[in-house]
Amino acid sequence: AQSVTQLDSQVPVFEEAPVELRCNYSSSVSVYLFWYVQYPNQGLQLLLKYLSGSTLVKGINGFEAEFNKSQTSFHLRKPSVHISDTAEYFCAVRPADSNYQLIWGAGTKLIIKP
Amino acid sequence: GAGVSQSPRYKVAKRGQDVALRCDPISGHVSLFWYQQALGQGPEFLTYFQNEAQLDKSGLPSDRFFAERPEGSVSTLKIQRTQQEDSAVYLCASSSMSGGETQYFGPGTRLLVL
Repeated sequence: AQSVTQLDSQVPVFEEAPVELRCNYSSSVSVYLFWYVQYPNQGLQLLLKYLSGSTLVKGINGFEAEFNKSQTSFHLRKPSVHISDTAEYFCAVRPADSNYQLIWGAGTKLIIKP
Repeated sequence: GAGVSQSPRYKVAKRGQDVALRCDPISGHVSLFWYQQALGQGPEFLTYFQNEAQLDKSGLPSDRFFAERPEGSVSTLKIQRTQQEDSAVYLCASSSMSGGETQYFGPGTRLLVL
């Protein structure tokens, strides 16, 4: 079985400061990794994904994430946040032996302070 | 083009009432998914369709939950004899491939059972 842990339910950060949202997973099989963002009153939108290859993945809106197999982590980073980044961020994994099943973390609310 | 749409956006039901939630996927998308998202949690998988075939319904919490996609496009999630624990946001997603790496989400239907 797989599980995803997002330790921080909320992360407050000042505008233009860097941010890291943490994601750790547990799995007995290889996984693919995803970050989704949910803006207020909108649906979930894919930010980035890791399937294979380079462990540093770049996504939309200046976000990037690094897959660390030994740490079983896939932390999301942005060097300088904007007020428009206020949203909830979800990490998800898909077991390599499934072509659709996504297992989700509980989400992290990013709060941008002016 | 148009994204995934869901209706109604909000539904208040009395306990014991039947409800039907509709999902219009992106045109031509083969795969369709339903998720349940409780307050403060990540989405939980309910069921998966490939065209009109329901390939996985392992996440449906009880036999009060029923989903269909008779013509391989629009899908309906029906909940019979609603209970308070059914209160949640119900998310629909679609993808262009069988299974599909990138799932495109609708805005969700927020169901409140009183």
